[in-house]
Amino acid sequence: DTGVSQDPRHKITKRGQNVTFRCDPISEHNRLYWYRQTLGQGPEFLTYFQNEAQLEKSRLLSDRFSAERPKGSFSTLEIQRTEQGDSAMYLCASSSGGSHYGYTFGSGTRLTVV
Amino acid sequence: AQTVTQSQPEMSVQEAETVTLSCTYDTSESDYYLFWYKQPPSRQMILVIRQEAYKQQNATENRFSVNFQKAAKSFSLKISDSQLGDAAMYFCAYRSEDWSGANSKLTFGKGITLSVRP
Repeated sequence: DTGVSQDPRHKITKRGQNVTFRCDPISEHNRLYWYRQTLGQGPEFLTYFQNEAQLEKSRLLSDRFSAERPKGSFSTLEIQRTEQGDSAMYLCASSSGGSHYGYTFGSGTRLTVV
Repeated sequence: AQTVTQSQPEMSVQEAETVTLSCTYDTSESDYYLFWYKQPPSRQMILVIRQEAYKQQNATENRFSVNFQKAAKSFSLKISDSQLGDAAMYFCAYRSEDWSGANSKLTFGKGITLSVRP
């Protein structure tokens, strides 16, 4: 197991286009989280899955954002009609449940909207 | 809602010296977990150390230790014998104690940039 994988590493898109990111968690982890991080700031929670169920969504997740985790394995995060304010690093993390564990993070997808 | 505050945006330490990074948090819960994460320039977050709120003993991991003051809601990280590889952003994070998983997200502070002088 090579950890949490995110694809692509970098994405440059024009304003108004749709983009989709993928996250492959550690295989035995049933919990998956998406965070957004802007330069010089801490990660901000977006949404969380336990298996295939989306259990929590942040108010930051506008109607243009949607996330899925079919079959409880990999997850996708889609942003429709991108805006310049969407430019950020999108981080995925997974955990095996049990509140005393921290997360394992992926390397992130850097989105630049031009 | 829980909040995590890291009021020092930057710190610098001489190699081989000791440095302490501060963190305070606000919560009405009695059981929770606290974490310090390191984010090197490569951007992947790495867990440094964690502390369970119900434990009075401060956590220690090699050169990293914490000073957990529950009443003061303070959770500082001490790095001993600082090394050049310790240079990174450090984030303090909070997590509720929720076995159901309904509230298991991490809440992060804004982070502190640590530089290590050779």
